[in-house]
Amino acid sequence: AQSVSQHNHHVILSEAASLELGCNYSYGGTVNLFWYVQYPGQHLQLLLKYFSGDPLVKGIKGFEAEFIKSKFSFNLRKPSVQWSDTAEYFCAVTSSSGSARQLTFGSGTQLTVLP
Amino acid sequence: DVKVTQSSRYLVKRTGEKVFLECVQDMDHENMFWYRQDPGLGLRLIYFSYDVKMKEKGDIPEGYSVSREKKERFSLILESASTNQTSMYLCATRATEAFFGQGTRLTVV
Repeated sequence: AQSVSQHNHHVILSEAASLELGCNYSYGGTVNLFWYVQYPGQHLQLLLKYFSGDPLVKGIKGFEAEFIKSKFSFNLRKPSVQWSDTAEYFCAVTSSSGSARQLTFGSGTQLTVLP
Repeated sequence: DVKVTQSSRYLVKRTGEKVFLECVQDMDHENMFWYRQDPGLGLRLIYFSYDVKMKEKGDIPEGYSVSREKKERFSLILESASTNQTSMYLCATRATEAFFGQGTRLTVV
C-alpha cells in the first residue's frame, strides 16, 4: 500500500521568510504527486502536480516543488511567504496507471505566517 | 466548473443509527473517493470506487460501507454510528487533480 509522510505538523514563519515543507512517499511504481492547500473555511484545492518530465514543478501563488526520485521526496517550497499563505498543506500521491487509482494523502502541515 | 455536492454540511446522529452520506458529481469522472479528515491525521481514505458497482477498501474501511449504483453518485454508509466516527467527511472525484465537496461535519452523540 502506498503511504505519504509529512514531517512538519505545524510551521510558524514570519512574512518574507522562505518555506520548505517536506513530503516523502512510499510506492514502488510510477507515481503522480500533488500538493493541495486548504485555506481556513475553504475547500481543498490543488496547488501543483507532478506527472512526468521536469522534476521542478511550479504551481499557483509562487509555490514550487521538486521531485527527487532517489529520495522518494516531493518537497514544497516558496521563497517568500505572505500572511495569506496561512493554511494547511497536504501532500498526496497516486499511481500513474490503472483504473483503480488510490489517492493517498499525508497528515498535513499547518502553516502559520505572522505579519 | 466541476461540482461535487455533498448532501449535508452538518449532521448530528445518535449512537447506533444508520447514517447515509451522499455525494453527487456533475462530470463524468470514473473515480470517486470518501475520506475522513481529523486534526493531525490529515485525510484518511475510507473507500473509493472506479466504476459503477465497483469499490475498493481504503485505509480505514471498518465500520463503513459504500454504494455506487450510478456513476454520478457515491454514498458512504455508517452501518451503526459510533462516537469515534465523529469527523469531517470529504467526498472527492478523480485521482489526478481531485475535486472535493464542501464536506459533511458529522457528530455522533
